[in-house]
Amino acid sequence: GAVVSQHPSRVICKSGTSVKIECRSLDFQATTMFWYRQFPKQSLMLMATSNEGSKATYEQGVEKDKFLINHASLTLSTLTVTSAHPEDSSFYICSAGDSRISGANVLTFGAGSRLTVL
Amino acid sequence: EDKVVQSPLSLVVHEGDTVTLNCSYEVTNFRSLLWYKQEKKAPTFLFMLTSSGIEKKSGRLSSILDKKELFSILNITATQTGDSAIYLCAVLNGANSKLTFGKGITLSVRP
Repeated sequence: GAVVSQHPSRVICKSGTSVKIECRSLDFQATTMFWYRQFPKQSLMLMATSNEGSKATYEQGVEKDKFLINHASLTLSTLTVTSAHPEDSSFYICSAGDSRISGANVLTFGAGSRLTVL
Repeated sequence: EDKVVQSPLSLVVHEGDTVTLNCSYEVTNFRSLLWYKQEKKAPTFLFMLTSSGIEKKSGRLSSILDKKELFSILNITATQTGDSAIYLCAVLNGANSKLTFGKGITLSVRP
């Protein structure tokens, strides 16, 4: 089945630093990947849609200069949290749809990255 | 704005019980409804429903969709402690391909 790998699984950083999270589709190509954020006991909130070879599409209220997304290849999307602050601490999850399966309606999720900003 | 409401928000049962998890939705252009199970990390896929009245089944889990009343249920029979998790419902908007999630239902199965 489709596998999405996300790294790192956990990162702790100081306020003001930047953190990069990688999302890779291991056995399929994904022209589109999605980045979500999840607060404790809250739902997954879509942050942005990452498009291979073009700019990401951000959801309303998500700062694109704060959360930089790069989708340089068909198997890799990265999310960089720039100048991180404690309020950016959260669980970030990426997902991708394997177009070979059900027209990519079914998303496969990465394992998530727990970011803690001190 | 698309919306998904799940109920109850949390549930505690004993092993062997049967549970029904509810999901109601509003979406401008319905394509499908999906159920995911989330344990410690990322959600894992359970079911995708696109047509009303057709039950999807996988072992002790089953799910059905009612597109007229805009809801879906997920049933788990003979629950086990390994069923303890957060169950997420999401709807896919066919116009913009966006997936909107509900807040999830936290299920705890006690031995």
